[in-house]
Amino acid sequence: GQQLNQSPQSMFIQEGEDVSMNCTSSSIFNTWLWYKQDPGEGPVLLIALYKAGELTSNGRLTAQFGITRKDSFLNISASIPSDVGIYFCAGQETSGSRLTFGEGTQLTVNP
Amino acid sequence: IAGITQAPTSQILAAGRRMTLRCTQDMRHNAMYWYRQDLGLGLRLIHYSNTAGTTGKGEVPDGYSVSRANTDDFPLTLASAVPSQTSVYFCASSLEDATGELFFGEGSRLTVL
Repeated sequence: GQQLNQSPQSMFIQEGEDVSMNCTSSSIFNTWLWYKQDPGEGPVLLIALYKAGELTSNGRLTAQFGITRKDSFLNISASIPSDVGIYFCAGQETSGSRLTFGEGTQLTVNP
Repeated sequence: IAGITQAPTSQILAAGRRMTLRCTQDMRHNAMYWYRQDLGLGLRLIHYSNTAGTTGKGEVPDGYSVSRANTDDFPLTLASAVPSQTSVYFCASSLEDATGELFFGEGSRLTVL
């Protein structure tokens, strides 16, 4: 089946810094999604992307659906301590197909 | 507050024992899912259900079974637990199967000794 490679695996940054993470696939996806998991909780949807080239923002978060449809990027601007958590990308090949999740990026923000 | 409720929150279980993880949602979502989360492996789909009365196998179904007798409940059963099933289990739901926009429960941490 398809695989998602998410990088980096972990990041340690200072409060106020910008963050970038990305996800690449061996297959073409029709949908890309980004989830965040706070410590001890379930993942929560941050941004959903449905069109190649689409750039979508949610507050300080911006995500892009790559033109090749095989990658996606998530940027966080001006990080704050509550940004700590695990960020997962997820892709869906076709409408109704099962989601494939990346391995996650563990973000630590030092005050 | 609408959402997904999972029980138990955590459980320690002897190998060979039977265990059922419960999941209930009150959002009237058609699709429900069970994932396991292991360090370095992300979230892997165990079983899913597109609608009440139907179920399907995910990426790692062996050793697990599910049922979907009604819209709200989607229990996951380990018939005879093994140590490799030590994990954090997440139940999720979506309004329909097509969008990929999932709502997750808070997880059930299972340790099999």
